[in-house]
Amino acid sequence: GAVVSQHPSRVICKSGTSVKIECRSLDFQATTMFWYRQFPKQSLMLMATSNEGSKATYEQGVEKDKFLINHASLTLSTLTVTSAHPEDSSFYICSAELTSGGDEQFFGPGTRLTVL
Amino acid sequence: GQQVMQIPQYQHVQEGEDFTTYCNSSTTLSNIQWYKQRPGGHPVFLIQLVKSGEVKKQKRLTFQFGEAKKNSSLHITATQTTDVGTYFCAYRPAGGGSNYKLTFGKGTLLTVNP
Repeated sequence: GAVVSQHPSRVICKSGTSVKIECRSLDFQATTMFWYRQFPKQSLMLMATSNEGSKATYEQGVEKDKFLINHASLTLSTLTVTSAHPEDSSFYICSAELTSGGDEQFFGPGTRLTVL
Repeated sequence: GQQVMQIPQYQHVQEGEDFTTYCNSSTTLSNIQWYKQRPGGHPVFLIQLVKSGEVKKQKRLTFQFGEAKKNSSLHITATQTTDVGTYFCAYRPAGGGSNYKLTFGKGTLLTVNP
């Protein structure tokens, strides 16, 4: 089956630093990947849609200068949280689809970010 | 826009009891998906329902899509401790384009007392 990996799985950083999270589709190519964030005991909130070779599409209320997304290849999308603050602490999850408009999304294992 | 409301928010059962979570929409859905997220884990796809009145089964899990395609349910028969987790319904419009994204319900957290 389709496998999506994420790295790192957990990161603790100081306020003001930037953190990069990688999302990889291991055994398939993904023209589109999605980035979600999830606060404790809450649902997944879509942050942005990452499109290979073009600019990401951000959801309303998500600062594109704060959450930089790069999708440079068909198997890799990165999310950089710039100048992180404690309120950015959350669980960040990426997902990908096998085909455009495919039936299901395959989620990465998630990255738990803690900003001190 | 369309919104998917999921109830209940929490459900605690004794092992062996049944469990049901519901998703209700104010408007007709093109399709609905169900995911399970174990504590500390990531969502895992369970199933997609597309047809009006559709019923699908996976062992002890039964998924239904209403005749009007405005509601869906997930029923677990004789729960086990391995069923613990949060169950999300999710909707995505057909056809792709600018609305090419999943919208998740708030989820139902199921805990099972052994």
